[in-house]
Amino acid sequence: EAGVVQSPRYKIIEKKQPVAFWCNPISGHNTLYWYLQNLGQGPELLIRYENEEAVDDSQLPKDRFSAERLKGVDSTLKIQPAELGDSAVYLCASSLERTGELFFGEGSRLTVL
Amino acid sequence: GDSVTQMEGPVTLSEEAFLTINCTYTATGYPSLFWYVQYPGEGLQLLLKATKADDKGSNKGFEATYRKETTSFHLEKGSVQVSDSAVYFCALSPNQAGTALIFGKGTTLSVSS
Repeated sequence: EAGVVQSPRYKIIEKKQPVAFWCNPISGHNTLYWYLQNLGQGPELLIRYENEEAVDDSQLPKDRFSAERLKGVDSTLKIQPAELGDSAVYLCASSLERTGELFFGEGSRLTVL
Repeated sequence: GDSVTQMEGPVTLSEEAFLTINCTYTATGYPSLFWYVQYPGEGLQLLLKATKADDKGSNKGFEATYRKETTSFHLEKGSVQVSDSAVYFCALSPNQAGTALIFGKGTTLSVSS
């Protein structure tokens, strides 16, 4: 069974440029999460989807971040414009149940110069 | 709000030494508790979990017991190996509608031969 797939693995951009990250969850997993992981810190939730509905986006900085999950499968997280402080690893995870085990992708490491 | 506190690292041990990584939590209600591990260059993966008080989770020689009276979920292993070198994250699931896993900051373990 394929795991959670994220791309790109690494991205280097200049500040004020846009960037997008893509996530393909495990087949059949209805719940999808985007987490932010700063260096030396634990993951922090940005947004959680149940199927195609964003049910928890309270921690998503909506002035520059946006996300979508079309058809309840793949998801895209976008930052526009990027700031220096956005340099971090963006993790995608999926699960069968809301309180069940989360399966993580390898993450997308963003460096903003 | 709910939170997880785990001991700061790095933890440096020799092979076959005993390992303890402390984790305490603050939560309303009855959360589920997890330990995730992140090996170098890989995504986070579930190591073990416990869903109610006095449950013991175990996997790959690691154990942790859900202690409600001390709000703790300490990770232990009797004899560590070089291959156990990784970052370990304690996490809780509040088991409430509209919430997701909350992670600690992570503890880096380095085992030398």
